[in-house]
Amino acid sequence: RKEVEQDPGPFNVPEGATVAFNCTYSNSASQSFFWYRQDCRKEPKLLMSVYSSGNEDGRFTAQLNRASQYISLLIRDSKLSDSATYLCAGFGGQLTFGSGTQLTVLP
Amino acid sequence: DTEVTQTPKHLVMGMTNKKSLKCEQHMGHRAMYWYKQKAKKPPELMFVYSYEKLSINESVPSRFSPECPNSSLLNLHLHALQPEDSALYLCASSQMIGRAGETQYFGPGTRLLVL
Repeated sequence: RKEVEQDPGPFNVPEGATVAFNCTYSNSASQSFFWYRQDCRKEPKLLMSVYSSGNEDGRFTAQLNRASQYISLLIRDSKLSDSATYLCAGFGGQLTFGSGTQLTVLP
Repeated sequence: DTEVTQTPKHLVMGMTNKKSLKCEQHMGHRAMYWYKQKAKKPPELMFVYSYEKLSINESVPSRFSPECPNSSLLNLHLHALQPEDSALYLCASSQMIGRAGETQYFGPGTRLLVL
């Protein structure tokens, strides 16, 4: 079983839609979690860190549920520029990535 | 400034060549990383340096040889690579390792093609 599992998608949504991604993790010792955004042929860029019960940054909300061992990312009012691959990652001694979820926001 | 730079951006090499990838950060970070990323896959950790010493080697073949000349620089020396080693090689840095919540910042990567 992979340490971090993520629905690969793809998710195709219209502009303005709300979309949610989930990741589950198996390492209960994982201490912190991150969401990265990766555009095609570019490097991963940190989108949000998730330390406790969750946090919000504008249209983006990240949630952590330690009891069920999953994290989520909610994007509200999606924009065309949100089209990218979203990678969740857990830190349990080293950073382990999920497989990434591809999002395409359609006009 | 959360910038990690990498050179070259692209590299094509034959299986008998020797080449090096370079990574630099000036954020005062004491941990630096090499990752390998194949198309449509997540980054996979290769090496971790902490305070200029190799801390983690994820069973990487010896044809990949990392080097950390100082706290700002990280090199990856390549020799006798195979076509399946073609990938995006990403460098990252963080303040420290082994600390929960330490954010890793990635460089733009070197796209390597082995012929």
